[in-house]
Amino acid sequence: QKEVEQNSGPLSVPEGAIASLNCTYSDRVSQSFFWYRQYSGKSPELIMSIYSNGDKEDGRFTAQLNKASQYVSLLIRDSQPSDSATYLCAVNTLNQAGTALIFGKGTTLSVSS
Amino acid sequence: KAGVTQTPRYLIKTRGQQVTLSCSPISGHRSVSWYQQTPGQGLQFLFEYFSETQRNKGNFPGRFSGRQFSNSRSEMNVSTLELGDSALYLCASNFLPGGTDYGYTFGSGTRLTVV
Repeated sequence: QKEVEQNSGPLSVPEGAIASLNCTYSDRVSQSFFWYRQYSGKSPELIMSIYSNGDKEDGRFTAQLNKASQYVSLLIRDSQPSDSATYLCAVNTLNQAGTALIFGKGTTLSVSS
Repeated sequence: KAGVTQTPRYLIKTRGQQVTLSCSPISGHRSVSWYQQTPGQGLQFLFEYFSETQRNKGNFPGRFSGRQFSNSRSEMNVSTLELGDSALYLCASNFLPGGTDYGYTFGSGTRLTVV
């Protein structure tokens, strides 16, 4: 069964530091990769998408993709207490019926002020 | 524009009953996916509908079913409820299926509690 793996955390960083979140996936043919943020009691919201090897920056967020090593990462610069949430990695994955967006179990980030 | 709307927000059911959850996607979105979220298993893919056809299904028993209507609204049904079905059920919509483009937009979810 195709999988998306993340460290569950919690990952604790002080305010202003860089938070690094990692994700590995098992399906070599995956083409689309996403990071979602989920606050406690809320639904996931899309914060980054990446499709090509390399880095993609959006404000304080940088997504990194390495298809050869099958990993995706998310860097959050200048971390703020408001970044405290669970971060979900999602990968489009091929199963017997077609493609589906499969999620990791998430990494909980705690930013202390 | 309006987001993904799920109803009801909360539901309490008894073991053995059945339940129907509703999802209205963002206007123009034709793909609707359903996920079950529990603390232990995270977000698990249930199924995806596109243009009224189920195009993909996750590893859930046949008690879980769904459908999509011509206006892209979707319903999922769980029959013979078990305690383990207690979870947050999330619906997500997109223009295209399979998570190959812009990613999905999620609704607020339906919290189902089975007692």
